Amino acid sequence: GAGVSQSPSNKVTEKGKDVELRCDPISGHTALYWYRQSLGQGLEFLIYFQGNSAPDKSGLPSDRFSAERTGGSVSTLTIQRTQQEDSAVYLCASTLGAPWEAFFGQGTRLTVV
Amino acid sequence: SQELEQSPQSLIVQEGKNLTINCTSSKTLYGLYWYKQKYGEGLIFLMMLQKGGEEKSHEKITAKLDEKKQQSSLHITASQPSHAGIYLCGAPQRTSGTYKYIFGTGTRLKVLA
Repeated sequence: GAGVSQSPSNKVTEKGKDVELRCDPISGHTALYWYRQSLGQGLEFLIYFQGNSAPDKSGLPSDRFSAERTGGSVSTLTIQRTQQEDSAVYLCASTLGAPWEAFFGQGTRLTVV
Repeated sequence: SQELEQSPQSLIVQEGKNLTINCTSSKTLYGLYWYKQKYGEGLIFLMMLQKGGEEKSHEKITAKLDEKKQQSSLHITASQPSHAGIYLCGAPQRTSGTYKYIFGTGTRLKVLA
């Protein structure tokens, strides 16, 4: 596609529910990144994919968080049993690979009530 | 692991004033990227610096890379309200033969008209 697309753009969920966030990277981009940005904070690295494998999952905050990527394209970030502290903007970025620039999606604003 | 430290964390300037934002890496830089994020929106790529001593400009924004100091500076000349937002530096971090992007915590800029 023309850019990185994330869906939904906004998600309000009840505490304890599971949510799935989707990222459609730019076609042909081999690397895909997930970040989390809490209100007024910087970007917190969560996980990145090279192709369909995830060389680094070190940023996932807990085992309630998981992510997968299929076909070297779309990625899904799943948060199980959401908690209020999970409320944040979740950003996805894709790149041909370092050291090329990363293109970011508009993010998914998750609110856990 | 590598970290990127930005300074200052926040900045309020009068319209027309010049300002500088710094980004310092704790490890060797393999390129440095500057992004801007308007409040509530996604990240916009500004500039990429790959070689020591490299300097790039876009409109009234100039960025330089000092490889020896492992530092980059972003300079805005004659600031305008449209420059307001969060400025983030990012860098590819080499890990186990692959790269992932890390980001600084950001500098929040407010320009008073």
